[in-house]
Amino acid sequence: DIQMTQSPSSLSASVGDRVAITCRASQSISKYLNWYQQKPGEAPKLLIYVASSLQSGVPSRFSGRGSGTDFTLTISSLQPEDFATYYCQQTHNTPPTFGQGTKVEIK
Amino acid sequence: QGQLVQSGAEVKKPGASVKVSCKASGYSFRSYAIHWVRQAPGQRLEWMGWINAGNGNTKYSQKFQDRVTITRDTSASTVYVELSSLRSEDTAVYYCTRDGGGGYYYGSGSWDYWGQGTLVTVSS
Repeated sequence: DIQMTQSPSSLSASVGDRVAITCRASQSISKYLNWYQQKPGEAPKLLIYVASSLQSGVPSRFSGRGSGTDFTLTISSLQPEDFATYYCQQTHNTPPTFGQGTKVEIK
Repeated sequence: QGQLVQSGAEVKKPGASVKVSCKASGYSFRSYAIHWVRQAPGQRLEWMGWINAGNGNTKYSQKFQDRVTITRDTSASTVYVELSSLRSEDTAVYYCTRDGGGGYYYGSGSWDYWGQGTLVTVSS
């Protein structure tokens, strides 16, 4: 199985900050990397698909980049509703696998 | 706008089976795959398998191969997951999610619609 490793595992930031979360795959996954946001007690929500495509309805402050093994999710200006846990997911190989999550907390 | 609605929470004893349902609405049910994933407390999401809602073909995680069955009822636009021989480690929230397509191969797209989750608790 492909291992997905996110960093950091958690971070503290203030409203308005620029935040970047990285995700590394144990082998090349081309562009088949998705990002999800999950709030406590809720299902995950798709933010970014195939590394850099913004899901419909997701604010443009979210962006993704990368290919191969290294990927980044950036939030350009953190808003109060963005405090959540973020997961990357590879769908290049079966089984699809997730990172361990990055919890974004209020500073 | 598509929607997935799951059945309610379950409490089961070790060794029992559980069956969770996922009713789809607002899109063409047969045109998309549905995945089942689970999330144990404080853990990352874990894929269990998917079903092609059109032809009923399935693919399962090797981890669950011997214990999981995914089925669908096209007349009810509903997908089911059944997990047998339950143990305490199966305590988790179980989610169904639609594969929106655009992936490397069938069943490898991004997951755009999600059910609300079903808590399954396994306890003696």
